[in-house]
Amino acid sequence: GNSVTQMEGPVTLSEEAFLTINCTYTATGYPSLFWYVQYPGEGLQLLLKATKADDKGSNKGFEATYRKETTSFHLEKGSVQVSDSAVYFCALMEADSWGKLQFGAGTQVVVTP
Amino acid sequence: NAGVTQTPKFRVLKTGQSMTLLCAQDMNHEYMYWYRQDPGMGLRLIHYSVGEGTTAKGEVPDGYNVSRLKKQNFLLGLESAAPSQTSVYFCASSFGTLQLTDTQYFGPGTRLTVL
Repeated sequence: GNSVTQMEGPVTLSEEAFLTINCTYTATGYPSLFWYVQYPGEGLQLLLKATKADDKGSNKGFEATYRKETTSFHLEKGSVQVSDSAVYFCALMEADSWGKLQFGAGTQVVVTP
Repeated sequence: NAGVTQTPKFRVLKTGQSMTLLCAQDMNHEYMYWYRQDPGMGLRLIHYSVGEGTTAKGEVPDGYNVSRLKKQNFLLGLESAAPSQTSVYFCASSFGTLQLTDTQYFGPGTRLTVL
């Protein structure tokens, strides 16, 4: 079956540091890939997405590139802020799946001033 | 435009009690989903609906029932709550285009504790 694996957290870093969160997946088909973010006490919201190989999703300074050859979708940001403290979820959606998402376990990111 | 709303926000139940969680969306979305979030396990799909009057099982459906009598509402029921159902429950909805770009919009969650 499908699965999504994320690096374990928490990831603690200082403001303006570089952030990378690793995400790899296994899928039977050719899925779309997503990053969702959950701020404290809130629901999840879409951060970025990519639907085919070599696509780069970007939003709010975050980027992730769909790498089919390594089945990866790593999230990066060049200079984090305290407001980026949140839990980040990698997810995939297969075709013909009624839009169902398969999530990774989530990675907590803590940014200190 | 409220988006996706969930009622209640918090609830404490005793083992064996029943309750219903309500999810409402005002975006005219076709698809709706119920997930549970547990530490270290991400979100797991409980049940989903691809239109008014339809429901289907997700990854972890046991102990839950759902109904979608109106397009805008999706109800999740626990008939006899168990401590293993202590979790945070999220509802989500999407347009249901069957395109791989379809985005799910999430509610704020319901924190349920079963004693």
